[in-house]
Amino acid sequence: GAVVSQHPSWVICKSGTSVKIECRSLDFQATTMFWYRQFPKQSLMLMATSNEGSKATYEQGVEKDKFLINHASLTLSTLTVTSAHPEDSSFYICSARDTQGLAMGEQFFGPGTRLTVL
Amino acid sequence: QKEVEQDPGPLSVPEGAIVSLNCTYSNSAFQYFMWYRQYSRKGPELLMYTYSSGNKEDGRFTAQVDKSSKYISLFIRDSQPSDSATYLCAMSEGFKTIFGAGTRLFVKA
Repeated sequence: GAVVSQHPSWVICKSGTSVKIECRSLDFQATTMFWYRQFPKQSLMLMATSNEGSKATYEQGVEKDKFLINHASLTLSTLTVTSAHPEDSSFYICSARDTQGLAMGEQFFGPGTRLTVL
Repeated sequence: QKEVEQDPGPLSVPEGAIVSLNCTYSNSAFQYFMWYRQYSRKGPELLMYTYSSGNKEDGRFTAQVDKSSKYISLFIRDSQPSDSATYLCAMSEGFKTIFGAGTRLFVKA
């Protein structure tokens, strides 16, 4: 099956620092990757859609200057949380869509990254 | 009105019970319907995927889609404690996927 990895799985940082999270599709190519945020006991909130080689599309209310997304290759997308603050503490999950797949709606999720900002 | 409605539960059942999880939606353009299982502090795992209406079975899991009623279901037969997780429905019209809030399921041994 399609495997998506995320690194790191958890990170603790001081307020004001920047944190980079990597999302990789290990056994398939993904022209489109998605970044989600999830608060405890809540559903996934889509932050942005990342397309390889182009700028990410951000959802309403998500600060593009704060959450920098880069999708430099068909297997790697990164999310950088700049000048992180305690309210940015959350579970960040990426997903990827297989370019070769027949399933237009199907997404494969990474294991998530838990960010704690002190 | 949310595009996808899902009862967050929690739903508690004894081991061996048949579990029924449901979602309703409002966008008739949705064609792709998915169920994901998410364990605590983990990313969602795709369980079932259905295109358009109909039933799909995979082991103890059966997914049903009724587009006329805008209603989808996931049935779990012979539920096990290991099935305890949050189940998210998701649907897409081909590009953007909308997720339900997730139903927390507890299967008691």
